[in-house]
Amino acid sequence: GQQVMQIPQYQHVQEGEDFTTYCNSSTTLSNIQWYKQRPGGHPVFLIQLVKSGEVKKQKRLTFQFGEAKKNSSLHITATQTTDVGTYFCAGRFLFRDAGGTSYGKLTFGQGTILTVHP
Amino acid sequence: SAVISQKPSRDICQRGTSLTIQCQVDSQVTMMFWYRQQPGQSLTLIATANQGSEATYESGFVIDKFPISRPNLTFSTLTVSNMSPEDSSIYLCSTGQGGLFNYGYTFGSGTRLTVV
Repeated sequence: GQQVMQIPQYQHVQEGEDFTTYCNSSTTLSNIQWYKQRPGGHPVFLIQLVKSGEVKKQKRLTFQFGEAKKNSSLHITATQTTDVGTYFCAGRFLFRDAGGTSYGKLTFGQGTILTVHP
Repeated sequence: SAVISQKPSRDICQRGTSLTIQCQVDSQVTMMFWYRQQPGQSLTLIATANQGSEATYESGFVIDKFPISRPNLTFSTLTVSNMSPEDSSIYLCSTGQGGLFNYGYTFGSGTRLTVV
C-alpha cells in the first residue's frame, strides 16, 4: 500500500533554533497536508499543498512541496515553546470505490515529535 | 470548518466486551473516517464510512471486529468488539468532504480506550 515516510522521529531544540521535518512518498501524491497534534490533543489541520514546487508560509512556518510531488517539508524558524507537539504530514492518494467514484485518502507519516527547551 | 463531538472521551473496559464510539458532526459531510492511534504513534486508517453504503475497511481491519454505522450525513459510530488489551488505543473520527481535492480534515477529540 501507499506509504509516507517522515523524519526525524524526534527533534529537541533550544528555543530560538530552527526546526525542519521531511516527508517522502515512493509514489506521486495528489496533494499533501500537514497537521499539528499537541500533547494529549487531536490532530489539527495546518495547510494543504497541491501544486508541484508549491511553497506556502504561515508566520514562522514554511511548507514546501517537491517538484515531483513525492516529498514535502515543514520548516519552523526561531522555534517557541508554543511550537511543542507532533507534526504529521499526510499524503493524499487517489483511489476508486466499488462504484467507480474517485476519492482521496490520507496516509499519515510517522510524525516528528518536537520538544523546545526554553 | 466542521466541528465534531466525539464520545466517550475515555473508557476502561473489560476484555471480551464491546464499546461503541459516537461522532456527531455539526454539518452534513459526505465521508467520515475512523483512525486508530497508539500513544506517541501515527494515525492508522481503520475504515472509510459513506452514508448509505457499507464502510470500506483497510487491510488488517474487519467489519466483525470494527462494525461501523453511518445512518445519516452528520453521525457515525465505531464499535470495538470482543475487546482485548491489544485494542487499547486512541480512536479518532474525522470528516472529509468527497471529491479529489478537499481540504483539511477535522478530527474529533478522540476516545482513549484501555482494555483490562
